[in-house]
Amino acid sequence: EVQLEESGGGLVQPGGSLRLSCVASGFTFSYYEYSWVRQAQGKGLEWVSYISSSGFTAHYADSVRGRFTMSRDNAKNSVYLQMDNLGADDMAIYYCARHTESGSLGSDFWGRGTPVTVAP
Amino acid sequence: SYVLTQPPSMSVAPGQTASIACGGSNIGGYAVHWYQQKPGQAPVLVVYEDNARPSGIPERFSGSNFGNTATLTINRVEAGDEADYYCQVWNSGSSQAVFGGGTKLTVL
Repeated sequence: EVQLEESGGGLVQPGGSLRLSCVASGFTFSYYEYSWVRQAQGKGLEWVSYISSSGFTAHYADSVRGRFTMSRDNAKNSVYLQMDNLGADDMAIYYCARHTESGSLGSDFWGRGTPVTVAP
Repeated sequence: SYVLTQPPSMSVAPGQTASIACGGSNIGGYAVHWYQQKPGQAPVLVVYEDNARPSGIPERFSGSNFGNTATLTINRVEAGDEADYYCQVWNSGSSQAVFGGGTKLTVL
């Protein structure tokens, strides 16, 4: 069974940092590309970042570029999101999502998400 | 940046057909993906690459994409289809994914 499980969310002060993790199981992790997608309370889905299967290529939303860094460790079946200089606008549930094999970059499996709260 | 526009809400009676539109400039040139999200749950892919269905998704769900509008069609709507629906594309020009604002489908 394909599973993605996020962790690392929590309460952080404005300007602080968090590192999110997403561990995968039930499939060959290294074959796939991944994204992080977030959703603020009562709002829609917002794409945050993407990483290639090799980890050599990452892309970011304009709202997080320069503050967030996505990485992966294929040996640990994990992707990560380092989030620095967090602000109120970053408060959301963060989902890890696996992209389909076809290369069209839809996401066929999602984790349950980890919440990030930014408050003094 | 590329923008996808969805109606915020729509309602349909059980057994009828729901057609959810996703508008974007020349969206017919993109591969469109659709997600269903129920309250408190993660999104679920229901249609990918305009009109393909993942394993386990009922045949009642279908998609089309032409010109400036992509459409998710749900035939014979059931109470369990009540959810938020989002369209999404990958904009290769900016190397970014784009989501529509979402449509809340209410089953009367």
